[in-house]
Amino acid sequence: IAGITQAPTSQILAAGRRMTLRCTQDMRHNAMYWYRQDLGLGLRLIHYSNTAGTTGKGEVPDGYSVSRANTDDFPLTLASAVPSQTSVYFCASSDQPNTEAFFGQGTRLTVV
Amino acid sequence: AQSVTQPDIHITVSEGASLELRCNYSYGATPYLFWYVQSPGQGLQLLLKYFSGDTLVQGIKGFEAEFKRSQSSFNLRKPSVHWSDAAEYFCAVGIIQGAQKLVFGQGTRLTINP
Repeated sequence: IAGITQAPTSQILAAGRRMTLRCTQDMRHNAMYWYRQDLGLGLRLIHYSNTAGTTGKGEVPDGYSVSRANTDDFPLTLASAVPSQTSVYFCASSDQPNTEAFFGQGTRLTVV
Repeated sequence: AQSVTQPDIHITVSEGASLELRCNYSYGATPYLFWYVQSPGQGLQLLLKYFSGDTLVQGIKGFEAEFKRSQSSFNLRKPSVHWSDAAEYFCAVGIIQGAQKLVFGQGTRLTINP
């Protein structure tokens, strides 16, 4: 089934640990995004990539890094997790950077 | 900076009543506009989108939205809600100049009374 796959679906992580959230899409979309969803704050853009080999900072990039080595994969790394990074993380992709986005099912991350 | 505002954090309506969810954006040009719905524990699903042309757009599940340039608004409407419409609704804009990206509003949680 075509779409976006995120892994893991949930994770409890000790503060200070490094963690990579995985995201893979099979729609050959050019653009990919990482959002975090927090109660009352909606979805805030962390990082985005308009095409393979390029990335950009979103609204809340601090503490996160991304890479886009190929079209299909867009991993999000927390170098040293902090409790404020407890959130639900959504990966999304779209054919063009500003058009309809398709979302994964999310990764629920708890930093303790 | 570009922004999207959904003024209503939580709305409660009775089943069968009409619904309007508000969305305002701040952007120098006409953006691409979207409404998404998120059921509990799920990802986001596109309800409808506006790129150009007719300012009244129809979407899935009986929803429609109207783009009003003069008010920088893109309000979502449904004439008669069903209990299954209870969810979180997000308005989003696609920025078409400069750093192209999607920006979301804070969301409106819809509760349906039986």
